[in-house]
Amino acid sequence: EAQVTQNPRYLITVTGKKLTVTCSQNMNHEYMSWYRQDPGLGLRQIYYSMNVEVTDKGDVPEGYKVSRKEKRNFPLILESPSPNQTSLYFCASSLAGSSYNEQFFGPGTRLTVL
Amino acid sequence: EDQVTQSPEALRLQEGESSSLNCSYTVSGLRGLFWYRQDPGKGPEFLFTLYSAGEEKEKERLKATLTKKESFLHITAPKPEDSATYLCAVVPTSGTYKYIFGTGTRLKVLA
Repeated sequence: EAQVTQNPRYLITVTGKKLTVTCSQNMNHEYMSWYRQDPGLGLRQIYYSMNVEVTDKGDVPEGYKVSRKEKRNFPLILESPSPNQTSLYFCASSLAGSSYNEQFFGPGTRLTVL
Repeated sequence: EDQVTQSPEALRLQEGESSSLNCSYTVSGLRGLFWYRQDPGKGPEFLFTLYSAGEEKEKERLKATLTKKESFLHITAPKPEDSATYLCAVVPTSGTYKYIFGTGTRLKVLA
């Protein structure tokens, strides 16, 4: 089944404890992206990747890191999480960075930073 | 600054009562405008892509239209299963390929 998977789905952590949220897609997509969704603010893009080893900042990259070493994986790293990073996170992928390609979203990761 | 604004924030309709959702955008240039549907606790699902003013796309009870400044999602004779949050996103020509989403319209269709 074609899908985008994220792990973990739920995570409660404490301030300053490094964490990684994994994202993987099995559709051979070139474009991958991370978003956070907050009430009243909607979906905001954190980072995106047009292809392996190519990443770009979205609108809210502060406090996050990403890497794209393989085509299928795009992990999101929080080196020192803070309470303002408590949010619902979505990973998405599309065939290419083109308006001709729809994005497929993962199921989401709900992160709470205490 | 590139911006997307959706209205209304929330909408309650009776089953069969048609209406429209609005997505206004301000971008230097438009690569594409996307509509997504999001059910509670789930990731958004793709509905439509529109590329140029005058374009229209339809899918079941939904029809999306595009002008140079806004897009409408028309819902004809909605059913309770159409209840969801509808998200609009644009990809401007500035930058490589960055998405800008609106805050969405929460639609509730009552039986």
